[in-house]
Amino acid sequence: SQTIHQWPATLVQPVGSPLSLECTVEGTSNPNLYWYRQAAGRGLQLLFYSVGIGQISSEVPQNLSASRPQDRQFILSSKKLLLSDSGFYLCAWRVKPGLHNEQFFGPGTRLTVL
Amino acid sequence: AQTVTQSQPEMSVQEAETVTLSCTYDTSENNYYLFWYKQPPSRQMILVIRQEAYKQQNATENRFSVNFQKAAKSFSLKISDSQLGDTAMYFCAFSSFPNSGYALNFGKGTSLLVTP
Repeated sequence: SQTIHQWPATLVQPVGSPLSLECTVEGTSNPNLYWYRQAAGRGLQLLFYSVGIGQISSEVPQNLSASRPQDRQFILSSKKLLLSDSGFYLCAWRVKPGLHNEQFFGPGTRLTVL
Repeated sequence: AQTVTQSQPEMSVQEAETVTLSCTYDTSENNYYLFWYKQPPSRQMILVIRQEAYKQQNATENRFSVNFQKAAKSFSLKISDSQLGDTAMYFCAFSSFPNSGYALNFGKGTSLLVTP
C-alpha cells in the first residue's frame, strides 16, 4: 500500500530564517507530487506541482521554491521566511495516469513564522 | 480559470439526521472530476467521494452521496444518518486534465458540526 510522509509535523521559525519541508511517498513510482498551503480558515492553495524528477511548476509567485531530487521526494524551501508564510503545508501525490484522478494527502506541517 | 464556491461557511446537524453541503463551480471544460474531501480536527485530508463529469449517475459511498447537476455546475454532498465523527471541515474540489498537472482547485470549505 502507498503511504506519504511529511516532516517536520510542526515548525516555529523566525522571520528571515531558511525553510526546508520534506515529503516522501512510498509504495508507488513516478507519481505527480503537489505542495498546497492552507491559511487559517481558508481552503487549500496550490503552490507547486511536479510531474517528474527535476520538473517543477510554480502556481503562485512568492519566496518559496520546490525541488524533486528523487522520484518520490518533494522538498519545499525558502531562503528567507516571511510572516505571511505561516500556515499549514500539505503534500499530496497522484497516480500517473490516474484512473480516478484523486489525490492522497500527507499529514501536513504546521509552520509558524514569528 | 476554474473556481469552486462553497456558500455555507458553517453548518450544524443533529446526530442521525441528514445534512446537505452545497458546492458550485465554474469551468468551460467538458471533462473533469469533482471531489469532496473531509478534514477532521487532526487536519488529515481524507477523500470522501468523487464524481466523474462524464457519468450521469450520482456517486454514492455508504452514508455519503452527491447530487451532481452538470448543467447547473452544482455538486452537493448529502450525509445521511450523521455521526459525531462526521464533524469536520468539508472541502469541495475540482480537477480537470491536464491543467496544472491535474492539481485540485478547492473551495473555502464548510465547517460541519454534528451535535448529540
